[in-house]
Amino acid sequence: AQKVTQAQTEISVVEKEDVTLDCVYETRDTTYYLFWYKQPPSGELVFLIRRNSFDEQNEISGRYSWNFQKSTSSFNFTITASQVVDSAVYFCALSGGVPSGNTPLVFGKGTRLSVIA
Amino acid sequence: KAGVTQTPRYLIKTRGQQVTLSCSPISGHRSVSWYQQTPGQGLQFLFEYFSETQRNKGNFPGRFSGRQFSNSRSEMNVSTLELGDSALYLCASSTGTVGNQPQHFGDGTRLSIL
Repeated sequence: AQKVTQAQTEISVVEKEDVTLDCVYETRDTTYYLFWYKQPPSGELVFLIRRNSFDEQNEISGRYSWNFQKSTSSFNFTITASQVVDSAVYFCALSGGVPSGNTPLVFGKGTRLSVIA
Repeated sequence: KAGVTQTPRYLIKTRGQQVTLSCSPISGHRSVSWYQQTPGQGLQFLFEYFSETQRNKGNFPGRFSGRQFSNSRSEMNVSTLELGDSALYLCASSTGTVGNQPQHFGDGTRLSIL
């Protein structure tokens, strides 16, 4: 079975602080896909990033960066110089690939991030 | 490019009734998935359709059903509504199979059961 754990339920930071959201996953697949989504108060899930299991390069996109470590089954998300607009619930998700086939997304419980001005 | 459109945005029903939710995917997307989001259970997968065929189904009772039309639009039906069905129902579309391509979500339909 596949599982995603986001141990941090809620995080509060002051604007301009850096914050890291943790994500630990479990899967028996040798190929799999990891995702991060943002859910603002409006409710829509906004796609942030997709990572293949065979690509362990870290990625940076503006103030966002992701650290994928297969050895620890983690896919952590860091926001640098946080802003009030970053306040949202962030979800980490996993989809299987080989050998289980393309399985539906399994989501973590989410981390609610509050950025205080 | 228009995003995923879900209608209605809000719905109030009573126990025992049935409801149909609609989802129009992004143009060109052939895969549509449905998820239920509740405070207690989080985001849970309901089913996925690709080219009018159900490819995957989550662990939900048979009261939950869906279908996909030839234009990729999808509907989800819940019969004999229960209080526990109150949730945000999210639809997502992608060009191909889940995993290979990212899923893009709609704003959701918030269903309240009285």
